[in-house]
Amino acid sequence: DQQVKQNSPSLSVQEGRISILNCDYTNSMFDYFLWYKKYPAEGPTFLISISSIKDKNEDGRFTVFLNKSAKHLSLHIVPSQPGDSAVYFCAASGYTPLVFGKGTRLSVIA
Amino acid sequence: NAGVTQTPKFQVLKTGQSMTLQCAQDMNHNSMYWYRQDPGMGLRLIYYSASEGTTDKGEVPNGYNVSRLNKREFSLRLESAAPSQTSVYFCASSVDWVGEQFFGPGTRLTVL
Repeated sequence: DQQVKQNSPSLSVQEGRISILNCDYTNSMFDYFLWYKKYPAEGPTFLISISSIKDKNEDGRFTVFLNKSAKHLSLHIVPSQPGDSAVYFCAASGYTPLVFGKGTRLSVIA
Repeated sequence: NAGVTQTPKFQVLKTGQSMTLQCAQDMNHNSMYWYRQDPGMGLRLIYYSASEGTTDKGEVPNGYNVSRLNKREFSLRLESAAPSQTSVYFCASSVDWVGEQFFGPGTRLTVL
C-alpha cells in the first residue's frame, strides 16, 4: 500500500511558466516532508522541505505548500527553467526512514 | 568533502554470482541506507542502519544482506544474483534516521 503517492508520472511546462507538482500521503503520523530532484545518471539531491507545523516554505524559485487536513503537499517552481527538467520525488517521514513517492518527470520546454 | 561515494559505478553479473556494493560517507552521519530504483517504481528501501551497529530491513530486503562496517561504511551484498535484481542501487546517509538524506551517484547493476 503506497503511503506517498505522486499521481502524475509526467508534466510538461513552458519555460517561464509555473510548474506545480503534487503529492498525497496516507499516514497521519508523517510530520516532515521533502522534495528531491534527480537528473539522469545522478543520485537524487535534496531540494526543499517542510515541517508539519508550517503550511508553506520558500527557497528562491521553489515553494512547498502543505495541507495537513487534505494530506496533500505541492511543489511550485516559478519561473520554470529548462534546467529544472528532471524527476522530482516527494518523501515523507514520521519517526521512520523516509518514504518516497514514485516520482514525477518534469519537462520544461524552451 | 566527497559526500557519499559508491563503488563500482557499473557491474554486469551472471545469474548466481555474488558481489558486494560498497558505500562510504565522510559527513559523520549516523544513519545509512540502501535503495533500488526501477522504472516506474520510485526509490524502494532495501535495508538501513539507523546507527553504527544496527541494521534493519526496509521494503524489499529479500535476496540482500548488509554490513555496517563502521560509522563511515555500509555495504550491500547479493549472495546469488537474479535477473530481478537488475536495477540502479543508491546509497544514502543522514544525520539521524528520520531526516534529510544525502545520496551517492548510484551503481547500475545488470544481472544476465
